[in-house]
Amino acid sequence: AQSVTQLGSHVSVSEGALVLLRCNYSSSVPPYLFWYVQYPNQGLQLLLKYTSAATLVKGINGFEAEFKKSETSFHLTKPSAHMSDAAEYFCAVSRLIQGAQKLVFGQGTRLTINP
Amino acid sequence: EPEVTQTPSHQVTQMGQEVILRCVPISNHLYFYWYRQILGQKVEFLVSFYNNEISEKSEIFDDQFSVERPDGSNFTLKIRSTKLEDSAMYFCASKKGVTNTEAFFGQGTRLTVV
Repeated sequence: AQSVTQLGSHVSVSEGALVLLRCNYSSSVPPYLFWYVQYPNQGLQLLLKYTSAATLVKGINGFEAEFKKSETSFHLTKPSAHMSDAAEYFCAVSRLIQGAQKLVFGQGTRLTINP
Repeated sequence: EPEVTQTPSHQVTQMGQEVILRCVPISNHLYFYWYRQILGQKVEFLVSFYNNEISEKSEIFDDQFSVERPDGSNFTLKIRSTKLEDSAMYFCASKKGVTNTEAFFGQGTRLTVV
């Protein structure tokens, strides 16, 4: 079975500060890992994904994440927070099962940006 | 840019009533999914659908739930007799093909059962 744990349901940073959202996963097979963002009253939008290529993955809006197998982690970072980054962030893991991709999500982290 | 669209955005229904949530996946996608998120909880997988049949379903997806692709564009989730605990945000998603790993999500339908 696969699972995801996001450490911290709420993270608050100042504008311009480093953003670090933590994600640890559990998977019995090599995982695919994803970060999704949800802005208020919107759907889930893919930020970035790891699919067994480069371990450092760059996504949209200046976000990146590093896959660390030894730590079973896939933490999301952004060097300098912007007010528009305020949203809910979800880490998710999957594996290919006969072509279907079931995503297993973490509980989400709400990011607040302070002016 | 192509997107997954869901209607309605908000549905209120009485307990015991049937509801149908509608989704229009991206047109050239082949895999379709429903997820739900109860307020304050994780986004949970419900069901995946490929080649006009269910490919996988979760324990949540019991006999009260069904999915259908009635034509070439719509993908529906039906709940036959709603319960209070079915109140949640329901997300539809679609994926292009086997080797494409990214699922695109709709904006969700908030279902409130009263």
